[in-house]
Amino acid sequence: DAGVIQSPRHEVTEMGQEVTLRCKPISGHNSLFWYRQTMMRGLELLIYFNNNVPIDDSGMPEDRFSAKMPNASFSTLKIQPSEPRDSAVYFCASKSGQTQYFGPGTRLLVL
Amino acid sequence: GIQVEQSPPDLILQEGANSTLRCNFSDSVNNLQWFHQNPWGQLINLFYIPSGTKQNGRLSATTVATERYSLLYISSSQTTDSGVYFCAVETGGTSYGKLTFGQGTILTVHP
Repeated sequence: DAGVIQSPRHEVTEMGQEVTLRCKPISGHNSLFWYRQTMMRGLELLIYFNNNVPIDDSGMPEDRFSAKMPNASFSTLKIQPSEPRDSAVYFCASKSGQTQYFGPGTRLLVL
Repeated sequence: GIQVEQSPPDLILQEGANSTLRCNFSDSVNNLQWFHQNPWGQLINLFYIPSGTKQNGRLSATTVATERYSLLYISSSQTTDSGVYFCAVETGGTSYGKLTFGQGTILTVHP
């Protein structure tokens, strides 16, 4: 199994630009999670899906953030417009049973 | 929401030493995981352990759910054990599926 796949691994963009992060969960996992990691706030859950349906998006910081899961093997997290304070590492994780498995993360820098 | 506190925040060891990391949580949990974030940023599952004791090689973990704490033991530490160790919990109910992370313990193992 290839594990959770995220792309891109690194993204540098300018303030105001749209950013799209992508995630492919482990095949057969029915739950998918998006997290953000910063030095100040640690690891925070942004949103999670169960069977492709968004269950809890209370962690999404503001309307500039949106996430979709059009099918069981693909999810996107979009930031539009991006701001410097969005700079962080964004992780996707998928779950089977009780254990969450994390992808390698996307390191985002907004200038 | 649930509070997760990890101690110590930092730990420096010589190779070969043993260590104990602690995770306290403020409410009943139905899921507890320990993760290791290596120096490259990858989050790796160590244990799923909502209660009881598990061992995997030089690592073991114990969760005493009734007293709301978990311990991670590292024996005969190696330089490759360096990184950040996170405890994460899930409480169920309206928080079902959501992992709340502690702030982590930064472990440095010197040769």
